[in-house]
Amino acid sequence: DTGVSQDPRHKITKRGQNVTFRCDPISEHNRLYWYRQTLGQGPEFLTYFQNEAQLEKSRLLSDRFSAERPKGSFSTLEIQRTEQGDSAMYLCASSSPVGGETQYFGPGTRLLVL
Amino acid sequence: QKEVEQNSGPLSVPEGAIASLNCTYSDRVSQSFFWYRQYSGKSPELIMSIYSNGDKEDGRFTAQLNKASQYVSLLIRDSQPSDSATYLCAVKKEGKLIFGQGTTLQVKP
Repeated sequence: DTGVSQDPRHKITKRGQNVTFRCDPISEHNRLYWYRQTLGQGPEFLTYFQNEAQLEKSRLLSDRFSAERPKGSFSTLEIQRTEQGDSAMYLCASSSPVGGETQYFGPGTRLLVL
Repeated sequence: QKEVEQNSGPLSVPEGAIASLNCTYSDRVSQSFFWYRQYSGKSPELIMSIYSNGDKEDGRFTAQLNKASQYVSLLIRDSQPSDSATYLCAVKKEGKLIFGQGTTLQVKP
């Protein structure tokens, strides 16, 4: 399967701990996006990269959140000093200009902060 | 006003019927529109994209776009129990997707 992959699929942590998630996009996709989804809501944009450049970061994103895509391939999303309100599904998507920048989503990482 | 609005439902239809899902958006300059299907506990899966006014058909699915009314809809013909899911409408804005809250569809056998 050459779709978007995310790791881990589930993460349980205690409040105040740091967590890091990884996303591997579809091969050759130059854009990579992070979204967050809470129960009963649609996904909410967090940030996105074109190759290694972070092009936009949501104003709603606390400075406890940071994302990187160091070599323009995989990306990591780190949350420092987690809070219970960070509990959500974290979704990664990727796109390519060839596909009209249509975004394809990975399976997501479900985070529970206790 | 939310940028993308959907009725959360649930929308309940009998098996074999047509399900009609609606979405409105606020930004007149929007050009790209998407429908995703999301099963409980899973990630969104692309069903269709639409960019021009009118209808676009793909199998049992038809997307309809009316830019003057800022309205997008998704019709599902011959609905099956396996179509039971949440349907997310998304509008592309400056590279990112803005999603509605989704409409839950229940297809009853």
